[in-house]
Amino acid sequence: DAGVIQSPRHEVTEMGQEVTLRCKPISGHNSLFWYRQTMMRGLELLIYFNNNVPIDDSGMPEDRFSAKMPNASFSTLKIQPSEPRDSAVYFCASRPGTGELFFGEGSRLTVL
Amino acid sequence: EDKVVQSPLSLVVHEGDTVTLNCSYEVTNFRSLLWYKQEKKAPTFLFMLTSSGIEKKSGRLSSILDKKELFSILNITATQTGDSAVYLCAGLGTNAGKSTFGDGTTLTVKP
Repeated sequence: DAGVIQSPRHEVTEMGQEVTLRCKPISGHNSLFWYRQTMMRGLELLIYFNNNVPIDDSGMPEDRFSAKMPNASFSTLKIQPSEPRDSAVYFCASRPGTGELFFGEGSRLTVL
Repeated sequence: EDKVVQSPLSLVVHEGDTVTLNCSYEVTNFRSLLWYKQEKKAPTFLFMLTSSGIEKKSGRLSSILDKKELFSILNITATQTGDSAVYLCAGLGTNAGKSTFGDGTTLTVKP
């Protein structure tokens, strides 16, 4: 299995631009998580899906952030408009039932 | 709100030393405590602990959970430079399904 696949690996953009991060979970995993990691705040849960349905989006910072999971093999996290404080590494993780998370390599976002 | 606290935040040791990393938690309807290792990239899974007092081992690493006192420890014996990483613990509750992570302990092992 290829593991959780995220793209892009690196993104540099200017303030105000739209950013879309993509994730392909491991086949058969029914839960998908989006985390954000910064030095200041550590690893924060943004949103998670169970069987493609958003269960908890309380960690989404504000209306500029949105996430979708149109099917079991694909999810997106969108930031519009982006701001410098959104600069972070965004991780997608999937999980089969309950238990450990399998993380992707992360998308490093820099907003200038 | 669920909370996971790790200590120390950072630790510098020499090869061959033994280290103990601490994790305390307050998780509603607690189910499991998980440990991850993060080097340059993504966190990778080490242990999942569900029952008190049962030690889990993998080579030089071991971990145990105390559900009465709400904490877990991760031990690494005979440390090597390759053990240098951030070690994260996470609490998992049954009704939320989400893992709450601590801030991590940064371990540096010097030759």
